[in-house]
Amino acid sequence: QSVLTQPPSVSAAPGQKVTISCSGGRSNIANNYVSWYQQLPGTAPKLLIYDNNKRPSGIPDRFSGSRSGTSATLGIAGLQTGDEADYYCGTWDRSLSAGVFGTGTKVTVL
Amino acid sequence: EVQLLESGGGLVQPGGSLRLSCAATGFTFSSYAMGWVRQAPGKGLEWVSAISVGGVNTYYADSVKGRFSISRDNSKNTVYLQMSSLRAEDTAVYYCAKDDGGGSLEYFQHWGQGTLVTVST
Repeated sequence: QSVLTQPPSVSAAPGQKVTISCSGGRSNIANNYVSWYQQLPGTAPKLLIYDNNKRPSGIPDRFSGSRSGTSATLGIAGLQTGDEADYYCGTWDRSLSAGVFGTGTKVTVL
Repeated sequence: EVQLLESGGGLVQPGGSLRLSCAATGFTFSSYAMGWVRQAPGKGLEWVSAISVGGVNTYYADSVKGRFSISRDNSKNTVYLQMSSLRAEDTAVYYCAKDDGGGSLEYFQHWGQGTLVTVST
């Protein structure tokens, strides 16, 4: 079982905004940078956010990230049908001396 | 362009061994830490293992510690995952990934397409 907890699913209509939470602890989120990944069916994960709130080149600013204490949040604004995918948070865990991923959240565009 | 190409996956019996390889191109391999992430059928991502730039430091998830071994050959631009005492629960697509966090292992920007490992009789 993962040490990072995400809601199993979120949904919204096209054009709306969704937020995905990632809950962890002092040994991971609170003291390490958080990243977010998008995974479309049958494909490798794609990095959306790194260092809590930075976007790699090519990622639209509709995607945003933040961190507060032991939790992090991914926001997706202006939801599009192409955003339907699974989303994962990730970080390093100092107690485990290993990386960790969240449980994953499926985004559905209504 | 960064490319990571995994190989070595396949069908193996419980208790067996398998070695995965990941050939890297498009960047200075010896300057980056590397990792492996897996995904069981219909399940989420699971961080498996990582190795530092020079190969001195290695890290493992508790679920594979003592059974898996990560290594790298910087002369061949390749990272390996030696898997032994395989169990049914090790069945997954295994992804090779490049650490882009300056060695912090906090994020992977580049990923391979994955190789499927099936542990079954």
